[in-house]
Amino acid sequence: DTGVSQDPRHKITKRGQNVTFRCDPISEHNRLYWYRQTLGQGPEFLTYFQNEAQLEKSRLLSDRFSAERPKGSFSTLEIQRTEQGDSAMYLCASSPGPSSGANVLTFGAGSRLTVL
Amino acid sequence: QQQVKQSPQSLIVQKGGISIINCAYENTAFDYFPWYQQFPGKGPALLIAIRPDVSEKKEGRFTISFNKSAKQFSLHIMDSQPGDSATYFCAPLGGDSNYQLIWGAGTKLIIKP
Repeated sequence: DTGVSQDPRHKITKRGQNVTFRCDPISEHNRLYWYRQTLGQGPEFLTYFQNEAQLEKSRLLSDRFSAERPKGSFSTLEIQRTEQGDSAMYLCASSPGPSSGANVLTFGAGSRLTVL
Repeated sequence: QQQVKQSPQSLIVQKGGISIINCAYENTAFDYFPWYQQFPGKGPALLIAIRPDVSEKKEGRFTISFNKSAKQFSLHIMDSQPGDSATYFCAPLGGDSNYQLIWGAGTKLIIKP
């Protein structure tokens, strides 16, 4: 296993366009998380999945944002009608879940979104 | 209740010196206290973590100290090296939150050769 993979690494789009990011977690991890990080800030929690179920969703996640994890493996994060304020690094992480002990996150390298 | 305050915001240390980063929290239900390290262009990675049943944990040059009464924990990097230059985040969890919901704002550490 090569860790958590995110694609694309960088996306430049025009305001109003839709974008989709994909995350492939570590295969044996049943939890998958999405965070957003802007320059000079810590990660902001967006949502997480336990297998295919979306268990928590931040108030930061407006109705323009939707995340899926259809088969409990990879996940997609879609942003519709992008705004300049959506420009950020979108980080995906996975973990085996708290039942295995401490909830240690393994992050991908992130997908950087630039909205012009 | 969920706020986490990290200090300092940035830190410059000479090679070989000691780097100290602090994290203060409010939620007394937290029971896992990790520090993550992030290099430019990469996601954060767990560096070291502590449970509240011990006051200190050491892994190589990295030590984490925990002060339950003060509701804070610290990262100490001994013999700091240029390769330690990165941004460090605390992200305590526990109680109602069994995942890393709240993160500190980060400390940008620069080690001068």
